[in-house]
Amino acid sequence: GENVEQHPSTLSVQEGDSAVIKCTYSDSASNYFPWYKQELGKRPQLIIDIRSNVGEKKDQRIAVTLNKTAKHFSLHITETQPEDSAVYFCAASRKVVGNTPLVFGKGTRLSVIA
Amino acid sequence: DAGITQSPRYKITETGRQVTLMCHQTWSHSYMFWYRQDLGHGLRLIYYSAAADITDKGEVSDGYVVSRSKTENFPLTLESATRSQTSVYFCASSGRDSSYEQYFGPGTRLTVT
Repeated sequence: GENVEQHPSTLSVQEGDSAVIKCTYSDSASNYFPWYKQELGKRPQLIIDIRSNVGEKKDQRIAVTLNKTAKHFSLHITETQPEDSAVYFCAASRKVVGNTPLVFGKGTRLSVIA
Repeated sequence: DAGITQSPRYKITETGRQVTLMCHQTWSHSYMFWYRQDLGHGLRLIYYSAAADITDKGEVSDGYVVSRSKTENFPLTLESATRSQTSVYFCASSGRDSSYEQYFGPGTRLTVT
């Protein structure tokens, strides 16, 4: 089955700097890669996702890149703000054909220092 | 987000007791999921369901039972609770459309003493 590794487990950045979180996956058939943000005591919420027919996707200060050959994908947050502080989870699954549940990485705790 | 609810939000039970966690969604989503969240382990899948009366085991299903007689409900039962089942439990749902987004409930914090 799918296995998702996520690094780093914790990340501290100064406000205004960029943050990068990396994930690798094992199942070459996976084609859907979402990122979830979980604030303290809250539920995980989708912030961005990418599908295997796309190499990069941006949404304002957030971007995700995908390298299918190397089987890794990354979350990039630019101009970080204190409200970006949270735990971020990457995930992978097969969709459309052979629909499988999401497999999550273990999470990255991002702290943005004002 | 208000479309998926969990009850109770907090529960304390004793070892050996049976406890049921409820999940209800109002979107008529086909897929529903149960995860447990523990420090250092992220979100681990317990069970999922593709439709009413169709369920499948996830990574950590031992000691848990699910049912899905109606599309909107997906209860999770701990048959004989153990301390290792102390965790935060999240229910989630997603539709069959092309968005693939999975929506999470607010979670249930379960403590087994």
